[in-house]
Amino acid sequence: KAGVTQTPRYLIKTRGQQVTLSCSPISGHRSVSWYQQTPGQGLQFLFEYFSETQRNKGNFPGRFSGRQFSNSRSEMNVSTLELGDSALYLCASSFTSGGGWAKDTQYFGPGTRLTVL
Amino acid sequence: AQSVTQLDSHVSVSEGTPVLLRCNYSSSYSPSLFWYVQHPNKGLQLLLKYTSAATLVKGINGFEAEFKKSETSFHLTKPSAHMSDAAEYFCVVSGTGANSKLTFGKGITLSVRP
Repeated sequence: KAGVTQTPRYLIKTRGQQVTLSCSPISGHRSVSWYQQTPGQGLQFLFEYFSETQRNKGNFPGRFSGRQFSNSRSEMNVSTLELGDSALYLCASSFTSGGGWAKDTQYFGPGTRLTVL
Repeated sequence: AQSVTQLDSHVSVSEGTPVLLRCNYSSSYSPSLFWYVQHPNKGLQLLLKYTSAATLVKGINGFEAEFKKSETSFHLTKPSAHMSDAAEYFCVVSGTGANSKLTFGKGITLSVRP
């Protein structure tokens, strides 16, 4: 089975621009989660989508948004980029999304390295 | 609420000696616990997971971890370190349902000396 894929792998933007990142989950997985990784804050949860619905959300400003399509592929958008948004953005997929069951294992993609100048 | 504490930010061992990476967790409910490894410029790879079955969990590459509820710990061990084990290791906790998001520790950088 192919793993989680993320595109693009590297991105350079300037302050004020917006950016869209894409994530294709493992075939059959319906849950997609997004994380931001920075040297200072570590790995932080952004949001999770399951069957095209946002199920969980982390503590990030409204500039960060996402969506999920009927084929489970997900996109994440950041508007009005700030220097502090420079980070590695990781996507993870899993078969289920809790719902009373133990959290299913999440499999991570290689990430998109975003640099904001 | 849930949290993970990885007190050591950096651990250095000699090749062939045991590895111990410590993790303590806090959770209001029965947690699921994971260890992930991240090699430089790579994504996260699952080493092992605990989901309320056997308390001693065996993972890939010779790693194992023991869940100790009384100590709220989930330490990662390996009998003999290899140069390829040098990486960053994250202990992760998650709950269920609406609390099913993953909460990561700060990570431990493992260095392996020849």
